[in-house]
Amino acid sequence: NAGVTQTPKFQVLKTGQSMTLQCAQDMNHNSMYWYRQDPGMGLRLIYYSASEGTTDKGEVPNGYNVSRLNKREFSLRLESAAPSQTSVYFCASHLRWEQFFGPGTRLTVL
Amino acid sequence: GQQLNQSPQSMFIQEGEDVSMNCTSSSIFNTWLWYKQEPGEGPVLLIALYKAGELTSNGRLTAQFGITRKDSFLNISASIPSDVGIYFCAGLNTGNQFYFGTGTSLTVIP
Repeated sequence: NAGVTQTPKFQVLKTGQSMTLQCAQDMNHNSMYWYRQDPGMGLRLIYYSASEGTTDKGEVPNGYNVSRLNKREFSLRLESAAPSQTSVYFCASHLRWEQFFGPGTRLTVL
Repeated sequence: GQQLNQSPQSMFIQEGEDVSMNCTSSSIFNTWLWYKQEPGEGPVLLIALYKAGELTSNGRLTAQFGITRKDSFLNISASIPSDVGIYFCAGLNTGNQFYFGTGTSLTVIP
């Protein structure tokens, strides 16, 4: 039982490049989330998916798109990366009242 | 977006000392969660609180759900070096949305 897994662990992009961050959970949870974590800012919600086939914007959705491919997988895409998107990205899944996090993806945009 | 007020921002303590940190909000939450994050890792759930006034322990950790439902406290007794990390509070509201504190960075001096 791996919990929440994320790939890649590290990534460096040039401004304007695109990439997709992958997330998967094996706990059969309905809800999944993408957060970014910046120094002194805590965790800010980018997008979430309450169930397979649905996605909703969070606090900071601009510059991102998401896909809930199936119940297990929730991907985050940066179409045209900007330096302001340099951050650590966490995926999480949610069961009832508890949320479980993946190990994070450290993204640097030059 | 809403973030919870967490204090203190950082703490430097001697091994063996007790630690207290708290989280406050202007809004009511139905669930309070406390997480610990170590460098390079995702947040790991420590304690979950589901009812106003609830006091819950997990080893040397004790957390309380405030009576007003707008605050929560985490205490760590007899700190040890492996307690080092960033501690986050999180609240879950009636709309099933999670909000996070900005974190308390704990350093334990042996």
